[in-house]
Amino acid sequence: DAGITQSPRHKVTETGTPVTLRCHQTENHRYMYWYRQDPGHGLRLIHYSYGVKDTDKGEVSDGYSVSRSKTEDFLLTLESATSSQTSVYFCAISEAAVKDTYEQYFGPGTRLTVT
Amino acid sequence: AQSVTQPDIHITVSEGASLELRCNYSYGATPYLFWYVQSPGQGLQLLLKYFSGDTLVQGIKGFEAEFKRSQSSFNLRKPSVHWSDAAEYFCAVVLTDSWGKFQFGAGTQVVVTP
Repeated sequence: DAGITQSPRHKVTETGTPVTLRCHQTENHRYMYWYRQDPGHGLRLIHYSYGVKDTDKGEVSDGYSVSRSKTEDFLLTLESATSSQTSVYFCAISEAAVKDTYEQYFGPGTRLTVT
Repeated sequence: AQSVTQPDIHITVSEGASLELRCNYSYGATPYLFWYVQSPGQGLQLLLKYFSGDTLVQGIKGFEAEFKRSQSSFNLRKPSVHWSDAAEYFCAVVLTDSWGKFQFGAGTQVVVTP
């Protein structure tokens, strides 16, 4: 299994509080992604990174920010959590965005509940 | 609009029976295609992928998928399911110029009965 960890694995927080989720990889892969998973929607891309300090928005980026100061860490921040951000969050990594290496490896997920 | 569609939200199949999960995509060009499986409480695991070449691809756990360009489909099949195949299955696509950004279908939940 690819070396991807996510922390915390479970979190309950109140509306309006800031929350940071961490993704850590030991594979030295260049590309990292944050998804959220909700019933009926599959996985939707929030933000992604194509290198240290290089990030871009996905399809559901409103209310989220990211940072990547090191190859191995990709942080997802909810500046002011809302109930609509209750979800399961997955981090994924990919070696490169070229043919035959598009495969993404997924972390175990973080279950976030905003009350 | 670009999209990935899995028409079946839920499928129930008997153990030992065959299984086919449908996936259709709508893109201007042929994307790269993937099937992932997610067991309860777990992350996603890659079953198989298609980039080009032979349109029938073999994956892990006895799964295979067939790419049909004329139908914009990439259906997943297994000849004989096992109880351990009960899981949620996701079809995904990525475009070649998209920094590896995946777009996932909504998923198909597979229930296996004795």
